[in-house]
Amino acid sequence: GAGVSQSPSNKVTEKGKDVELRCDPISGHTALYWYRQRLGQGLEFLIYFQGNSAPDKSGLPSDRFSAERTGESVSTLTIQRTQQEDSAVYLCASSLVPLATDTQYFGPGTRLTVL
Amino acid sequence: AQSVTQLGSHVSVSEGALVLLRCNYSSSVPPYLFWYVQYPNQGLQLLLKYTSAATLVKGINGFEAEFKKSETSFHLTKPSAHMSDAAEYFCAVIMNTGNQFYFGTGTSLTVIP
Repeated sequence: GAGVSQSPSNKVTEKGKDVELRCDPISGHTALYWYRQRLGQGLEFLIYFQGNSAPDKSGLPSDRFSAERTGESVSTLTIQRTQQEDSAVYLCASSLVPLATDTQYFGPGTRLTVL
Repeated sequence: AQSVTQLGSHVSVSEGALVLLRCNYSSSVPPYLFWYVQYPNQGLQLLLKYTSAATLVKGINGFEAEFKKSETSFHLTKPSAHMSDAAEYFCAVIMNTGNQFYFGTGTSLTVIP
């Protein structure tokens, strides 16, 4: 596609429910990244994929968070038993190759609100 | 450890005035540095990046930034602000051996007509 897309754009859920957030990277991009942006804060790195493997999961805040990627395509970030502190904008980015100098292209984000 | 500090969460400038958004990094070795812009209801867009070539980097929309190792800074400037520059600006750092961005908390730029 022309850019990184994410769905849904907004998600409101009740505390304790599970949610799935989807990211469609730019076609041909081998690297995919997930970030979280809490209100008034910078972006926090969550996880990155090279192909469908995740070399770096260091940013996942707890075992309630997991992510998977199908080949070099769609990725899903799953949050189980959501808590109010999970409320944030979740951003996905992709890059052609997983090199530090390669530009990461960001999607518009999914705004998650946990009531 | 790496970190990024953006001084000033809100900056206001008059249309036509100089824009200066400050970014300082903390790293044991010079990292790669980026500035991203986020317009309302849009995703982050790369403005410019420093990857150890020229220290003065020119980006899109007339923005530029200068990497100063002695000051551990990468401030973003634009000679003349335009109304369309109103947005949130994020400075980010990444090590040349890694893939993880460390972002600053952002600076919201307001342009006054």
